[in-house]
Amino acid sequence: DAEITQSPRHKITETGRQVTLACHQTWNHNNMFWYRQDLGHGLRLIHYSYGVHDTNKGEVSDGYSVSRSNTEDLPLTLESAASSQTSVYFCASSPGTSGRFNEQFFGPGTRLTVL
Amino acid sequence: EDQVTQSPEALRLQEGESSSLNCSYTVSGLRGLFWYRQDPGKGPEFLFTLYSAGEEKEKERLKATLTKKESFLHITAPKPEDSATYLCAVQAPGSARQLTFGSGTQLTVLP
Repeated sequence: DAEITQSPRHKITETGRQVTLACHQTWNHNNMFWYRQDLGHGLRLIHYSYGVHDTNKGEVSDGYSVSRSNTEDLPLTLESAASSQTSVYFCASSPGTSGRFNEQFFGPGTRLTVL
Repeated sequence: EDQVTQSPEALRLQEGESSSLNCSYTVSGLRGLFWYRQDPGKGPEFLFTLYSAGEEKEKERLKATLTKKESFLHITAPKPEDSATYLCAVQAPGSARQLTFGSGTQLTVLP
């Protein structure tokens, strides 16, 4: 069955370190998204991509970067981790190219703690 | 700025006690409204998409409805396994394929 996976599922790192979270989907979806979820804020969009070599900033992109070199993967990099980036990170994908078929399907999440 | 507000923040029901969750939005020209279920420690799971006012969709004990300003998720005769956080999200005309999420309603169904 097609799916979307994230790794690692849990990560503890130190302030200032570079961290990369992986996201891999086997649906062949064009669109991929990264969100963070914090109590009181719901899901907030970090970065998104509509296809290979396309990346865009979301609502809370400062301190994060992404690159899309193939359809299946959208890794999220924290360039210099900060305690404010302690959160649960979700990757999602969707097939749509226009108004419909934009249901997003989510991965299981990565819990990141920055000490 | 597009706004999505869900109420109540938390809801406790007895098994079998029907109720509704609300999602109000201020998007003009809504292109889609999405409902998700999220269990603790897991990613959101897609439930429904609604595209136009008057539309309704059903799945087991859940029914989602849409008006021009809000959506309701009706839960009929809930069971403890319906306990979860329910999220709604909207897609606005200017946001292409992006979704804006509400903060969710945490539903607890007591046996």
